[in-house]
Amino acid sequence: QQQVKQSPQSLIVQKGGISIINCAYENTAFDYFPWYQQFPGKGPALLIAIRPDVSEKKEGRFTISFNKSAKQFSLHIMDSQPGDSATYFCAASGGETSGSRLTFGEGTQLTVNP
Amino acid sequence: NAGVMQNPRHLVRRRGQEARLRCSPMKGHSHVYWYRQLPEEGLKFMVYLQKENIIDESGMPKERFSAEFPKEGPSILRIQQVVRGDSAAYFCASSPNRDNEQFFGPGTRLTVL
Repeated sequence: QQQVKQSPQSLIVQKGGISIINCAYENTAFDYFPWYQQFPGKGPALLIAIRPDVSEKKEGRFTISFNKSAKQFSLHIMDSQPGDSATYFCAASGGETSGSRLTFGEGTQLTVNP
Repeated sequence: NAGVMQNPRHLVRRRGQEARLRCSPMKGHSHVYWYRQLPEEGLKFMVYLQKENIIDESGMPKERFSAEFPKEGPSILRIQQVVRGDSAAYFCASSPNRDNEQFFGPGTRLTVL
């Protein structure tokens, strides 16, 4: 019940295209859903996060869409750039059992071709 | 503002030795989390600490692993008698309180020979 499933495992997008990464969770007590970006050899960097009281959050080219009834959330990267090439992780936390610890998806390796 | 600092960045140990990983949280942050990332995998929670207290160690192996966050100084993740399977990147994250975002350090990459 603690799992977060992420897809696709890898994604190739042309420059200027839209990158879409999806995550699904099982624990209905989760109430915080962040996305992290990780470059090789670096630590994860927080990109954007959402709580279940809203269905969408946008920051610049990055948008999170959240569907509470389906227990799914997704990251959309508009106008994708080669500099966006990285590994993206979704995560979730919340509830009495999980508390504030983050449960991560397995990651999506995004490649944006010039 | 300095971010989360971890050292060493790279650590090589032989089987049976001890590994000691240090994490200094961001200024003003009193909550520290440790995560492990195996090659080509996602991050797995290990332990959550506040100053002088272990809050949640449900992700930590029962043997050989320990963590502390003393009143003064960095948080320490200690792995005794390392084995090859301990080879991974170990990340520390800090937060000002349990309901806020977690900010990650650059990680310590442990290699066990």
